[in-house]
Amino acid sequence: DIQMTQSPSTLSAAVGDRVTITCRTSQSITKSLAWFQQKPGKAPKLLIYEASNLETGVSSRFSGSGSGTDFTLTISSLQPDDFATYYCQQYNSYWTFGQGTKVEIK
Amino acid sequence: QLQLQESGPGLVKPSETLSLTCSVSGGSISSTSYYWAWIRQPPGKGLEWLGSIYHGGRTYYNPSLKSRVTMSVDTSKNQFSLKVNPLTATDTAVYYCARQVVQQLVPSYFDSWGQGTLVTVSS
Repeated sequence: DIQMTQSPSTLSAAVGDRVTITCRTSQSITKSLAWFQQKPGKAPKLLIYEASNLETGVSSRFSGSGSGTDFTLTISSLQPDDFATYYCQQYNSYWTFGQGTKVEIK
Repeated sequence: QLQLQESGPGLVKPSETLSLTCSVSGGSISSTSYYWAWIRQPPGKGLEWLGSIYHGGRTYYNPSLKSRVTMSVDTSKNQFSLKVNPLTATDTAVYYCARQVVQQLVPSYFDSWGQGTLVTVSS
């Protein structure tokens, strides 16, 4: 099984901050990684696929990078609508999610 | 615009079978570009993939659930379904259906999700 580790688990930030979330996998997944945003009581929403491809309709303040075992999701300037929980998901071997990173208001 | 809608009981007893259906509208479940998946989320916890199915019936299941999960597809109704048995309290979760993009003939990331349905396992 591919293990996934997101960090941090919780992040406190202010509007306008640059935010970075990290996802590490236990073995190489090349670029087979997606990022999701989930708000309370709602389904996850796809932000990024193939590690760095922005899903249609998603704000350009979201970006993804990485390959192999280390990946990052960056929000360039945090907006009020961005306070949520973020998950990474690998699709190289079966399909598994990270444990989530909650972005809170500082 | 694609819409997915889960339906099924909100309360099920331990040891019984959970049956959920996902109705797809605004797109064909027979598209060669997608698989169709179930994912669940226990209250306050993370996401767990349960299984994926193609319109032709090809399936992938989460090995950790062993043989407790079964999926089927009904192309005439544009629906796919999930069965989980036997149930325990740890199966209490919000169950989501989702569309999964095909890449190089295998399913990859989930690009569209239903709103989710809460299933509680309790006597």
